Amino acid sequence: QKEVEQNSGPLSVPEGAIASLNCTYSDRGSQSFFWYRQYSGKSPELIMSIYSNGDKEDGRFTAQLNKASQYVSLLIRDSQPSDSATYLCAVLHQAGTALIFGKGTTLSVSS
Amino acid sequence: NAGVMQNPRHLVRRRGQEARLRCSPMKGHSHVYWYRQLPEEGLKFMVYLQKENIIDESGMPKERFSAEFPKEGPSILRIQQVVRGDSAAYFCASSPAGLARNEQFFGPGTRLTVL
Repeated sequence: QKEVEQNSGPLSVPEGAIASLNCTYSDRGSQSFFWYRQYSGKSPELIMSIYSNGDKEDGRFTAQLNKASQYVSLLIRDSQPSDSATYLCAVLHQAGTALIFGKGTTLSVSS
Repeated sequence: NAGVMQNPRHLVRRRGQEARLRCSPMKGHSHVYWYRQLPEEGLKFMVYLQKENIIDESGMPKERFSAEFPKEGPSILRIQQVVRGDSAAYFCASSPAGLARNEQFFGPGTRLTVL
């Protein structure tokens, strides 16, 4: 059973702080990893993709991947109240078709 | 550039009726995926289609559910004889041809309520 695990939270951080979201996956053959943001009642929005070990930065977001540890994380710098949402970690199935999603981590940024 | 479109956005059906959910992928995208999100649960893959072909339906319930993506027109997810447990948000995603990295972009979803 291929799984993606995330802490459900809520993760609470003050405005301006760094939020750190973590994810582990079980399929060692996975090659593509994604972070989606989902506001309550809305659809998932792709915010980051990462395919190689190391860090990938895009604005206030940094994704980190460690395939040996089967671990992927998302850092949000200078967190804003508008970042309050559920963050979904997704791993592409080795066959290259389905995304396997974690249940998401709820982030709350207080002003 | 229009994103993934889904309709209807909300659908109410009584038990035993049929539900038809439609999805038009982003322009230039030829791969369509359907996911279901049950209340308090994560997104679950249902089916992956290309034009006129079902590529992977491993997440689709064996009975009552079917999907198609015809040569012309939107992809359709069809649920026959709906039951209360089918109440969920159904999301469609699309990705461009080539599957190089398979970034999938989601539509707004259809919220199905079965009375």
